[in-house]
Amino acid sequence: EDQVTQSPEALRLQEGESSSLNCSYTVSGLRGLFWYRQDPGKGPEFLFTLYSAGEEKEKERLKATLTKKESFLHITAPKPEDSATYLCAVGPSGTYKYIFGTGTRLKVLA
Amino acid sequence: NAGVTQTPKFQVLKTGQSMTLQCAQDMNHNSMYWYRQDPGMGLRLIYYSASEGTTDKGEVPNGYNVSRLNKREFSLRLESAAPSQTSVYFCASLEGQPNTGELFFGEGSRLTVL
Repeated sequence: EDQVTQSPEALRLQEGESSSLNCSYTVSGLRGLFWYRQDPGKGPEFLFTLYSAGEEKEKERLKATLTKKESFLHITAPKPEDSATYLCAVGPSGTYKYIFGTGTRLKVLA
Repeated sequence: NAGVTQTPKFQVLKTGQSMTLQCAQDMNHNSMYWYRQDPGMGLRLIYYSASEGTTDKGEVPNGYNVSRLNKREFSLRLESAAPSQTSVYFCASLEGQPNTGELFFGEGSRLTVL
């Protein structure tokens, strides 16, 4: 069964305190792994797509990496505006479906 | 740029009432999706439409019906609402190829069933 598990469920950081969010997955034929950001009361907003193990992508203070079993979202020197829920999703081959994890709620304190 | 527009944003229903959630996208995307989001459960796929004229069940389709009215619009209908359908509903459209493309989400429709 295709599955995505994210950890931790919630994370509180001080401003400037770097950390990583984890996304573990089991999927029949990974076509893509995706990271989204969701602010309270809003829909998810796309951040990154990773296609193969070893790939890395960066955007401002965020860097996403991918291995054969998991992905990490590294947050370097976070700011309060980085506070949000971060969602991981996978796209199994042969379907149109996208399977999401339950997310990590990140709070960055000033 | 409107993107994906959902209506209504908020709705309160009584058990047994029916309603339709509307979704429209202006990005000329072929594929559209309906998800529900519940605390601790994440986003779960209800139905999707790979292209105009086609619809398929997702993970949690029971109690829902959908209509792909045209390329722009994809509606979700609750025929007889139940308290278990209290949730936030998100519509999304797909830019690019299946499983590798980017989903664009609407702002959500918050439904409470009493």
